[in-house]
Amino acid sequence: DVKVTQSSRYLVKRTGEKVFLECVQDMDHENMFWYRQDPGLGLRLIYFSYDVKMKEKGDIPEGYSVSREKKERFSLILESASTNQTSMYLCASGLGQGKQYFGPGTRLTVT
Amino acid sequence: QKEVEQNSGPLSVPEGAIASLNCTYSDRGSQSFFWYRQYSGKSPELIMFIYSNGDKEDGRFTAQLNKASQYVSLLIRDSQPSDSATYLCAVNINTGNQFYFGTGTSLTVIP
Repeated sequence: DVKVTQSSRYLVKRTGEKVFLECVQDMDHENMFWYRQDPGLGLRLIYFSYDVKMKEKGDIPEGYSVSREKKERFSLILESASTNQTSMYLCASGLGQGKQYFGPGTRLTVT
Repeated sequence: QKEVEQNSGPLSVPEGAIASLNCTYSDRGSQSFFWYRQYSGKSPELIMFIYSNGDKEDGRFTAQLNKASQYVSLLIRDSQPSDSATYLCAVNINTGNQFYFGTGTSLTVIP
């Protein structure tokens, strides 16, 4: 079974803090994705990576950065958290043009 | 125009009935199509994928793809209360490994 894990299920941070969300997959997938999910807006792609040290912007990259130093790990960084970044963050991994497998999600609250 | 559109619902069907979920997409170059199920408070789980025109059946689920009409649907036969969830349509656009998700259709199966 594919397993995608995320570092935290719930996180509360203050405005202006630097936030790290980590995602690890155990299936040797080339592709990894970070989404945020908000009511009424659905899943929106923040960044994706198709190889180590490679990254591509998704639809809403502003305020975020990513890091992929190892194939199995993809980190999302909020450089200076703001209240409008309060959301559910979902990591996924998959093969090219194939199925995606999601982690359990991190519900981030920025106060 | 959004890349992927779904009727948000809610859609209610009685137990044992057929539930029909619909999705349209805007990019004619789209190649891969996916249906995810998301229970409340959980992450999306892949339940069906289809790449070619026509029908694809897996147990009680049938995915239907019509590329000429840019339309993909999911039929759930013999609906069960455990099918109550939000169903997300996802499309792989022909620009690489980027996926677009619809906002989801909420399905309730009434016992």
